[in-house]
Amino acid sequence: QSALTQPASVSGSPGQSITISCTGTSSDIGNYNLVSWYQQHPGKAPKLMIYEVSKRPSGVSNRFSGSKSGNTASLTISGLQAEDEADYYCCSYAGINTFAYYVFGTGTKVTVL
Amino acid sequence: EVQLVESGGGLVQPGGSLRLSCAASGFTFRRYWMHWVRQAPGKGLVWVSRIDTDGSTTSYADSVKGRFTISRDNAKNTVYLQLNSLRVEDTAVYHCATIYDATTAFDIWGQGTMVTVSS
Repeated sequence: QSALTQPASVSGSPGQSITISCTGTSSDIGNYNLVSWYQQHPGKAPKLMIYEVSKRPSGVSNRFSGSKSGNTASLTISGLQAEDEADYYCCSYAGINTFAYYVFGTGTKVTVL
Repeated sequence: EVQLVESGGGLVQPGGSLRLSCAASGFTFRRYWMHWVRQAPGKGLVWVSRIDTDGSTTSYADSVKGRFTISRDNAKNTVYLQLNSLRVEDTAVYHCATIYDATTAFDIWGQGTMVTVSS
């Protein structure tokens, strides 16, 4: 049950696009299209931004998009805004034999310059 | 309004016990699997445990297996997490969460309750 690997930090200027990677294994990201992404502002509960690799929940800006290739998922934020500055976590459903669980990423701090 | 509210956190000595509660409102609680996710200070999110709709199926992260027990009371719309044999590394904010709106992901979260394990 090792955490998925994310870069510790990513930064960009307002209006730019940034991409956060999330690398797992064939037991999690590589085996399921159940990757989700969460935004967390300091002291707040996480907020779901992307589910099933690339779907957006109602109310989430279309500036957020997701994708997956092999064992790596990605979150892209386009048209970066000051309010996007937060921590972002990926998450994947995972399974070994009959035991199913969830694994989160190490987290990425996004800074808007 | 769909809402989850945790309680029961506090300061406990290593080896001690604590029971966390998560009260649900605004939705038909008995129809949803419930999860606990924790976050150590300054660290990332870690999935801890889940329970199915009637409490018959549970699962745990390796780090808490044998020490933590998840349960639920559908009559009280509440899910619990019993924390035993606590260790310093269990210090964290504990959130309950659920997959509510057919998103297959955690779309409803509580604000969390802080557990501090220290002598």
